[in-house]
Amino acid sequence: KAGVTQTPRYLIKTRGQQVTLSCSPISGHRSVSWYQQTPGQGLQFLFEYFSETQRNKGNFPGRFSGRQFSNSRSEMNVSTLELGDSALYLCASSLTSGRFEQFFGPGTRLTVL
Amino acid sequence: AQKVTQAQTEISVVEKEDVTLDCVYETRDTTYYLFWYKQPPSGELVFLIRRNSFDEQNEISGRYSWNFQKSTSSFNFTITASQVVDSAVYFCALSEEEGGKLIFGQGTELSVKP
Repeated sequence: KAGVTQTPRYLIKTRGQQVTLSCSPISGHRSVSWYQQTPGQGLQFLFEYFSETQRNKGNFPGRFSGRQFSNSRSEMNVSTLELGDSALYLCASSLTSGRFEQFFGPGTRLTVL
Repeated sequence: AQKVTQAQTEISVVEKEDVTLDCVYETRDTTYYLFWYKQPPSGELVFLIRRNSFDEQNEISGRYSWNFQKSTSSFNFTITASQVVDSAVYFCALSEEEGGKLIFGQGTELSVKP
């Protein structure tokens, strides 16, 4: 079974630009969650989608948004990039709810200059 | 509020030593789930174990073992006879019943020297 895939793996943007990251979950998994990992703040939850609906949201500004498609693939978008958005963005998929383990993709390393 | 604390930021051991990684959690929920993940230098988080709040049985998987104690809100992870390949950052995490929100601890960086 293929794992979680994320594209692109690396991205360099400048302040003010916007970026879209993509995540394909494990086949059959309907829940997709996104996390931001930075040295200072650690791993922080961004949001979770289940059956194309955002079910849970972390404490991030509205510049961070996401969506999920009918095939469970998900995208997250960050608008008006700031230097502090430089991070590793991790996507995870699970069967349905919080009771199941989440399987993580390799992440997208975003650098904002 | 939910919180996970991994008080050990870094641990360094010599190969074949046993090492225990501590995890203390806080939650008001009666149903919750605890996890351990490993993040090797490559960066990808690897799932190790899940435990639900109603199952306090300890678990052993090869050189890995986990001790879950609700009385002290702890879910500790022990590696027996550590190996260089165990070098990684280990994260403890907590989730509630619904919604895919994992709350992570700050992680413990384990360095196993030959």
